[in-house]
Amino acid sequence: DTEVTQTPKHLVMGMTNKKSLKCEQHMGHRAMYWYKQKAKKPPELMFVYSYEKLSINESVPSRFSPECPNSSLLNLHLHALQPEDSALYLCASSPQDATNEKLFFGSGTQLSVL
Amino acid sequence: SQQGEEDPQALSIQEGENATMNCSYKTSINNLQWYRQNSGRGLVHLILIRSNEREKHSGRLRVTLDTSKKSSSLLITASRAADTASYFCATDKGGTYKYIFGTGTRLKVLA
Repeated sequence: DTEVTQTPKHLVMGMTNKKSLKCEQHMGHRAMYWYKQKAKKPPELMFVYSYEKLSINESVPSRFSPECPNSSLLNLHLHALQPEDSALYLCASSPQDATNEKLFFGSGTQLSVL
Repeated sequence: SQQGEEDPQALSIQEGENATMNCSYKTSINNLQWYRQNSGRGLVHLILIRSNEREKHSGRLRVTLDTSKKSSSLLITASRAADTASYFCATDKGGTYKYIFGTGTRLKVLA
């Protein structure tokens, strides 16, 4: 299984809602990532988990709260988002092995905040 | 910012022609990678070149890396309509696993 699975594929939420994005991989990868991508822009790194511990937080607002319950799962909890947070949210994983460092991406969650 | 700059921003070519896109970055790197993205979907890894390598090939792809100029190029030979996508370079600063993407090149291959 060489897939990173993200759910849901599409999400529409109001500014007062609480929702969660989910990401799952069964490749035994020990690093997992959240990226945010606006239309026609490159992915922007948000968070990196290494061995289930948060290792990088790119000064993301606290209305985005990541969680890594185990080595296969990564969640992104959303609360009180703003319309400008509408974007494609991409999850990725990597082996965290110096001999093979490529990122495996999920197909993303297209988020719209109304 | 470590973010790479890519040029051109957009490129339109005929099927069968070669496509070249360039990536420049600002800080020292451990490796540089190229990814493809179709229509706002997930990114797909194409090729990785390490800082001590100068050139790498994979099928119709050829990547070069010049660390003295902090730049890389991706050449797609004999392009096909299916190569239409956005192409991004990504750099990792010294094994930090902080992968930062360049601005991207939108390639359109006309049949």
